[in-house]
Amino acid sequence: EAGVAQSPRYKIIEKRQSVAFWCNPISGHATLYWYQQILGQGPKLLIQFQNNGVVDDSQLPKDRFSAERLKGVDSTLKIQPAKLEDSAVYLCASSLGRVSTGELFFGEGSRLTVL
Amino acid sequence: SQKIEQNSEALNIQEGKTATLTCNYTNYSPAYLQWYRQDPGRGPVFLLLIRENEKEKRKERLKVTFDTTLKQSLFHITASQPADSATYLCALDIMDSNYQLIWGAGTKLIIKP
Repeated sequence: EAGVAQSPRYKIIEKRQSVAFWCNPISGHATLYWYQQILGQGPKLLIQFQNNGVVDDSQLPKDRFSAERLKGVDSTLKIQPAKLEDSAVYLCASSLGRVSTGELFFGEGSRLTVL
Repeated sequence: SQKIEQNSEALNIQEGKTATLTCNYTNYSPAYLQWYRQDPGRGPVFLLLIRENEKEKRKERLKVTFDTTLKQSLFHITASQPADSATYLCALDIMDSNYQLIWGAGTKLIIKP
């Protein structure tokens, strides 16, 4: 079974530029998460989708971050304009249902460096 | 304030010994607690889930305990091997309306040959 796919793996941009990350979850997984992980810290939830609806985006900096999950399958996370503090690994994860029903499956992550 | 604490310093263990990692939390009443392993440059990988009414859970060389009175979970790796070297993250399922997982910062485990 294919795992969670993310791209690109690495991205280097100048501040104030824009960037987009793509995620394809495991087939059949209804819930999709985007996390931000800064070096030395645990993952911080940015947004959670249940099918194509947003369940929680309370920690998403909406003035610069946006995310969508069209057709309830793959998802994109966009940052515009980027700031230095956005340098982090952006992790996509999926699960069959709500997290309490079991584990999250993570992708390899997209490492963003903002110069 | 609500907090999850894991040992911030790396844990160095001799190969063959038991490694014990700690996850402490305050002001939460989690229904579940999960442990994940994260290797450098990779996403976290699920290891074990333990429910609030379970005292202990085992999987091969791994053992997790969950003490809701002490607000603590212990994660044990017996007969540790250099391949067990990684960062281990605990995550609490606080069963709020959004079913969020709240993550610790992780503990880096180094198993020396």
